[in-house]
Amino acid sequence: DTGVSQDPRHKITKRGQNVTFRCDPISEHNRLYWYRQTLGQGPEFLTYFQNEAQLEKSRLLSDRFSAERPKGSFSTLEIQRTEQGDSAMYLCASSPDGQPQHFGDGTRLSIL
Amino acid sequence: DQQVKQNSPSLSVQEGRISILNCDYTNSMFDYFLWYKKYPAEGPTFLISISSIKDKNEDGRFTVFLNKSAKHLSLHIVPSQPGDSAVYFCAVRRVWDDKIIFGKGTRLHILP
Repeated sequence: DTGVSQDPRHKITKRGQNVTFRCDPISEHNRLYWYRQTLGQGPEFLTYFQNEAQLEKSRLLSDRFSAERPKGSFSTLEIQRTEQGDSAMYLCASSPDGQPQHFGDGTRLSIL
Repeated sequence: DQQVKQNSPSLSVQEGRISILNCDYTNSMFDYFLWYKKYPAEGPTFLISISSIKDKNEDGRFTVFLNKSAKHLSLHIVPSQPGDSAVYFCAVRRVWDDKIIFGKGTRLHILP
Protein backbone atom coordinates (compact mmCIF):
# COMPACT_ATOMS: atom_id res chain seq x y z
CA ASP A 1 0.00 0.00 0.00
CA THR A 2 1.56 3.27 -1.06
CA GLY A 3 -0.97 5.68 0.42
CA VAL A 4 -0.48 8.14 3.25
CA SER A 5 0.04 6.28 6.50
CA GLN A 6 -0.70 7.64 9.97
CA ASP A 7 0.19 6.18 13.32
CA PRO A 8 -1.41 5.56 15.73
CA ARG A 9 -5.00 5.32 14.50
CA HIS A 10 -6.35 6.02 17.95
CA LYS A 11 -4.83 7.68 20.99
CA ILE A 12 -6.47 8.01 24.38
CA THR A 13 -4.64 10.05 26.97
CA LYS A 14 -5.20 12.00 30.13
CA ARG A 15 -5.39 15.75 30.13
CA GLY A 16 -1.97 17.29 30.58
CA GLN A 17 -0.03 14.51 28.88
CA ASN A 18 2.05 14.95 25.74
CA VAL A 19 1.21 13.04 22.56
CA THR A 20 3.03 12.59 19.26
CA PHE A 21 1.58 11.47 15.96
CA ARG A 22 3.44 10.29 12.89
CA CYS A 23 2.63 10.66 9.21
CA ASP A 24 4.35 8.87 6.33
CA PRO A 25 3.43 10.58 3.06
CA ILE A 26 3.33 9.06 -0.38
CA SER A 27 6.89 8.69 -1.63
CA GLU A 28 8.22 11.70 -3.50
CA HIS A 29 5.34 13.94 -2.48
CA ASN A 30 7.16 17.11 -1.52
CA ARG A 31 4.23 18.76 0.21
CA LEU A 32 2.84 17.51 3.52
CA TYR A 33 -0.15 18.95 5.36
CA TRP A 34 -1.68 18.54 8.80
CA TYR A 35 -5.39 19.12 9.41
CA ARG A 36 -7.69 18.78 12.37
CA GLN A 37 -11.30 17.67 12.07
CA THR A 38 -13.94 17.88 14.76
CA LEU A 39 -17.48 16.55 14.70
CA GLY A 40 -19.67 18.22 12.10
CA GLN A 41 -16.82 20.20 10.60
CA GLY A 42 -14.63 19.83 7.59
CA PRO A 43 -10.88 19.38 7.99
CA GLU A 44 -9.21 22.59 9.21
CA PHE A 45 -5.70 23.44 8.10
CA LEU A 46 -3.01 23.38 10.78
CA THR A 47 0.34 23.56 8.98
CA TYR A 48 2.21 22.43 5.91
CA PHE A 49 5.70 21.56 4.74
CA GLN A 50 7.44 21.95 1.43
CA ASN A 51 10.08 19.25 1.75
CA GLU A 52 11.57 19.84 5.21
CA ALA A 53 10.59 23.52 5.43
CA GLN A 54 7.51 24.43 7.46
CA LEU A 55 5.97 27.21 5.40
CA GLU A 56 2.79 28.13 7.22
CA LYS A 57 1.14 27.62 10.56
CA SER A 58 -2.52 28.28 11.27
CA ARG A 59 -3.70 30.38 14.16
CA LEU A 60 -5.30 27.15 15.38
CA LEU A 61 -1.80 25.87 16.10
CA SER A 62 -1.09 27.14 19.59
CA ASP A 63 2.39 27.09 21.10
CA ARG A 64 1.56 23.68 22.59
CA PHE A 65 1.63 22.24 19.08
CA SER A 66 4.79 21.57 17.12
CA ALA A 67 5.34 19.80 13.83
CA GLU A 68 8.51 18.60 12.17
CA ARG A 69 9.56 17.01 8.93
CA PRO A 70 13.28 16.61 9.53
CA LYS A 71 14.36 14.86 6.35
CA GLY A 72 11.57 15.90 4.07
CA SER A 73 9.92 12.49 4.32
CA PHE A 74 7.83 11.53 7.37
CA SER A 75 6.42 14.15 9.72
CA THR A 76 5.50 14.27 13.40
CA LEU A 77 2.92 16.38 15.17
CA GLU A 78 3.36 16.82 18.91
CA ILE A 79 0.84 18.25 21.33
CA GLN A 80 2.15 19.19 24.76
CA ARG A 81 0.01 19.48 27.89
CA THR A 82 -3.09 18.22 26.13
CA GLU A 83 -6.44 19.84 26.85
CA GLN A 84 -10.02 18.62 26.41
CA GLY A 85 -10.41 20.83 23.36
CA ASP A 86 -7.62 18.97 21.60
CA SER A 87 -9.88 15.95 21.15
CA ALA A 88 -10.28 15.60 17.40
CA MET A 89 -9.26 13.64 14.34
CA TYR A 90 -5.82 14.69 13.13
CA LEU A 91 -5.38 14.19 9.40
CA CYS A 92 -2.24 14.20 7.33
CA ALA A 93 -2.18 14.74 3.57
CA SER A 94 0.54 14.85 0.95
CA SER A 95 0.80 15.98 -2.65
CA PRO A 96 3.21 16.94 -5.38
CA ASP A 97 3.15 20.64 -6.24
CA GLY A 98 -0.15 21.70 -7.77
CA GLN A 99 -1.82 18.33 -7.45
CA PRO A 100 -4.76 17.23 -5.26
CA GLN A 101 -3.88 16.21 -1.74
CA HIS A 102 -4.11 12.59 -0.69
CA PHE A 103 -5.19 11.99 2.88
CA GLY A 104 -4.35 9.35 5.42
CA ASP A 105 -7.02 7.79 7.61
CA GLY A 106 -6.15 10.03 10.52
CA THR A 107 -5.33 9.70 14.19
CA ARG A 108 -8.30 10.04 16.52
CA LEU A 109 -7.26 11.71 19.78
CA SER A 110 -9.42 11.41 22.86
CA ILE A 111 -8.56 13.39 25.99
CA LEU A 112 -9.92 11.98 29.24
CA ASP B 1 -15.98 33.72 8.60
CA GLN B 2 -16.77 30.67 6.57
CA GLN B 3 -15.17 30.86 3.16
CA VAL B 4 -16.74 27.64 1.89
CA LYS B 5 -20.39 26.92 2.62
CA GLN B 6 -22.27 23.70 2.16
CA ASN B 7 -25.74 24.66 3.31
CA SER B 8 -27.26 21.18 3.21
CA PRO B 9 -25.98 19.02 6.08
CA SER B 10 -27.65 15.98 4.57
CA LEU B 11 -29.34 14.79 1.42
CA SER B 12 -31.31 11.63 0.63
CA VAL B 13 -31.63 10.38 -2.94
CA GLN B 14 -33.23 7.31 -4.43
CA GLU B 15 -30.84 4.81 -5.98
CA GLY B 16 -30.58 5.39 -9.72
CA ARG B 17 -31.60 9.04 -9.53
CA ILE B 18 -29.37 12.10 -9.73
CA SER B 19 -27.65 13.47 -6.62
CA ILE B 20 -26.83 17.17 -6.64
CA LEU B 21 -24.58 18.60 -3.95
CA ASN B 22 -24.06 22.34 -3.75
CA CYS B 23 -21.34 24.61 -2.46
CA ASP B 24 -20.81 28.36 -2.26
CA TYR B 25 -17.55 30.22 -1.70
CA THR B 26 -16.83 33.80 -0.82
CA ASN B 27 -13.39 34.65 -2.16
CA SER B 28 -12.32 35.01 -5.78
CA MET B 29 -8.68 34.20 -4.99
CA PHE B 30 -9.09 30.48 -5.50
CA ASP B 31 -7.85 28.71 -8.59
CA TYR B 32 -9.04 25.18 -8.07
CA PHE B 33 -12.19 23.64 -6.69
CA LEU B 34 -12.37 20.11 -5.43
CA TRP B 35 -14.74 17.52 -4.08
CA TYR B 36 -13.67 14.93 -1.55
CA LYS B 37 -15.64 11.93 -0.38
CA LYS B 38 -15.33 10.48 3.10
CA TYR B 39 -16.46 7.19 4.54
CA PRO B 40 -16.59 6.64 8.33
CA ALA B 41 -13.23 5.89 9.93
CA GLU B 42 -11.36 6.79 6.74
CA GLY B 43 -9.64 9.91 5.52
CA PRO B 44 -11.15 12.05 2.75
CA THR B 45 -10.62 10.71 -0.75
CA PHE B 46 -10.16 13.01 -3.70
CA LEU B 47 -13.08 12.66 -6.11
CA ILE B 48 -13.00 15.31 -8.81
CA SER B 49 -11.78 18.86 -9.35
CA ILE B 50 -12.22 21.78 -11.68
CA SER B 51 -9.96 24.64 -12.62
CA SER B 52 -11.21 28.19 -12.36
CA ILE B 53 -10.85 28.57 -16.13
CA LYS B 54 -13.45 25.90 -16.81
CA ASP B 55 -17.13 25.65 -16.03
CA LYS B 56 -17.59 21.88 -16.24
CA ASN B 57 -15.56 18.76 -15.64
CA GLU B 58 -16.81 15.23 -16.03
CA ASP B 59 -15.43 11.92 -14.79
CA GLY B 60 -17.69 8.93 -15.29
CA ARG B 61 -20.79 9.34 -13.15
CA PHE B 62 -19.44 12.50 -11.53
CA THR B 63 -19.69 16.00 -13.00
CA VAL B 64 -18.66 19.22 -11.33
CA PHE B 65 -20.05 22.56 -12.47
CA LEU B 66 -18.52 25.92 -11.63
CA ASN B 67 -20.35 29.26 -11.82
CA LYS B 68 -17.71 31.86 -11.05
CA SER B 69 -20.01 34.85 -11.23
CA ALA B 70 -22.24 33.29 -8.57
CA LYS B 71 -19.27 31.79 -6.68
CA HIS B 72 -21.08 28.49 -6.74
CA LEU B 73 -20.14 24.95 -7.59
CA SER B 74 -22.08 21.74 -7.66
CA LEU B 75 -21.40 18.04 -7.90
CA HIS B 76 -23.76 15.85 -9.88
CA ILE B 77 -23.75 12.09 -9.45
CA VAL B 78 -25.77 10.13 -11.92
CA PRO B 79 -26.95 7.47 -11.54
CA SER B 80 -26.59 7.37 -7.77
CA GLN B 81 -25.44 4.06 -6.30
CA PRO B 82 -25.50 2.67 -2.75
CA GLY B 83 -21.71 3.01 -2.49
CA ASP B 84 -22.08 6.75 -2.99
CA SER B 85 -23.47 7.06 0.53
CA ALA B 86 -20.80 9.12 2.29
CA VAL B 87 -19.96 12.63 3.43
CA TYR B 88 -18.95 14.93 0.57
CA PHE B 89 -16.69 17.87 1.21
CA CYS B 90 -16.42 20.82 -1.10
CA ALA B 91 -13.00 22.43 -1.02
CA VAL B 92 -11.24 25.38 -2.60
CA ARG B 93 -7.55 25.79 -3.20
CA ARG B 94 -5.60 28.99 -2.77
CA VAL B 95 -3.66 30.21 -5.76
CA TRP B 96 -0.26 30.63 -4.16
CA ASP B 97 0.30 27.70 -1.80
CA ASP B 98 -2.08 24.81 -2.61
CA LYS B 99 -3.70 25.25 0.81
CA ILE B 100 -7.19 23.76 0.81
CA ILE B 101 -10.16 25.19 2.67
CA PHE B 102 -12.99 22.75 3.27
CA GLY B 103 -16.70 23.17 3.76
CA LYS B 104 -18.50 21.39 6.58
CA GLY B 105 -19.66 18.58 4.35
CA THR B 106 -22.96 17.13 3.16
CA ARG B 107 -23.96 13.62 4.17
CA LEU B 108 -25.46 11.82 1.18
CA HIS B 109 -27.78 8.87 1.77
CA ILE B 110 -28.65 6.72 -1.22
CA LEU B 111 -31.96 5.00 -0.58
CA PRO B 112 -32.67 1.54 -2.01
